[in-house]
Amino acid sequence: SQQGEEDPQALSIQEGENATMNCSYKTSINNLQWYRQNSGRGLVHLILIRSNEREKHSGRLRVTLDTSKKSSSLLITASRAADTASYFCATDAGTALIFGKGTTLSVSS
Amino acid sequence: SQTIHQWPATLVQPVGSPLSLECTVEGTSNPNLYWYRQAAGRGLQLLFYSVGIGQISSEVPQNLSASRPQDRQFILSSKKLLLSDSGFYLCAWKPGLAGDEQYFGPGTRLTVT
Repeated sequence: SQQGEEDPQALSIQEGENATMNCSYKTSINNLQWYRQNSGRGLVHLILIRSNEREKHSGRLRVTLDTSKKSSSLLITASRAADTASYFCATDAGTALIFGKGTTLSVSS
Repeated sequence: SQTIHQWPATLVQPVGSPLSLECTVEGTSNPNLYWYRQAAGRGLQLLFYSVGIGQISSEVPQNLSASRPQDRQFILSSKKLLLSDSGFYLCAWKPGLAGDEQYFGPGTRLTVT
């Protein structure tokens, strides 16, 4: 069964704007990860945040985690056309990663 | 460096035919291995995972099976395909207890006709 649910399902923005995607989950986790998928390709790991962390940065990516609300957000700043892809959150409860349905991001130039 | 291979890249099979998808990992030993399926426009559904040779855990009851005959080889099989088996199949690995991130292969696009 799917653990994470991303919101929104689709997001369209202009280059230079920020993109925010949210993820909600149901059970306790060890960590939460965000992945990116270009159309028809495999997934690429972006960033991991552990259950005892509240915020993490990597380049233009910023991830927050609120374990009390069982939610996370991914912020991509100063978006580029190359950021166009689907983004998935995945929760790790110890056995295997459980993925949400993803947010499809379109960045137009 | 580690590399993950999947083949074939695309496959068109008739209903009722058998299936064999292969995944191999290079450059690491004793990885955890995973099979996921992604239906069109949907998220990833975990099908099987393996923590060692001959050790397979199934997450979803279906007409698919998995095997791990060698440390770095993971095979997804079916004796008789259904239309609902169509999708994008992704293999992934992670370095056992040593890591948290998963590394994905390029995927196999399966169309059952």
